[in-house]
Amino acid sequence: QVQLVESGGGVVQPGRSLRLSCAASGFTFSNHNMHWVRQAPGSGLEWVAVISYDGFNKYYADSMNGRFLISRDNSNNSLHLQMNNLRTEDTALYYCAREGYGGNSGTDYWGQGTLVTVSS
Amino acid sequence: EIVMTQSPITLSVSPGERATLSCRASQSISSNLAWYQQKPGQAPRLLIYGASTRATGIPARFSGSGSGTEFTLTISSLQSEDFAVYYCQQYNNWRITFGQGTRLEIK
Repeated sequence: QVQLVESGGGVVQPGRSLRLSCAASGFTFSNHNMHWVRQAPGSGLEWVAVISYDGFNKYYADSMNGRFLISRDNSNNSLHLQMNNLRTEDTALYYCAREGYGGNSGTDYWGQGTLVTVSS
Repeated sequence: EIVMTQSPITLSVSPGERATLSCRASQSISSNLAWYQQKPGQAPRLLIYGASTRATGIPARFSGSGSGTEFTLTISSLQSEDFAVYYCQQYNNWRITFGQGTRLEIK
């Protein structure tokens, strides 16, 4: 079965960096675009970034202001999010999500998320 | 950026009754719309994609309709497990966006 397991979250001071990872299994990872979506405590879902199935196309939400970098390793079935110059407003649960094959079904599988807390 | 607006923010409905949730896009997204259910402490679950196609394992009481800019999620005969937060999502381009959510609560 499809599994997405995020890791790398934690407590970090403002201005520091953190790298999140998502381990994928149960499907052909290299066939799917992958997304990061975050959810601040008590708030709704906010899209963060997407990377195409082959890693060539990457797009980010404007609010990330160039501080985040999405990447993937298809040989290891893993997705990553490098977050730099973190701010208190980046505190959230970060989910990785698989886009349905062909991009016609939204994000059909989600991990359970990894919590990032930015605090001094 | 395509802005998604959901209404109402909170909906109070009695078990066994019908719930109708709305989602509006700031520009046409064809049928590139999905609906998700999220319960406390859980990841979102895909309910509907392509505006009207139920995802695998989703009960028939969930139905979606609409195209262009106006969309609706209908839950007929609400069950206790249906009380949750519902989000719409557009995936008309690479930069997907979500509505702010509708909280469906027991009346």
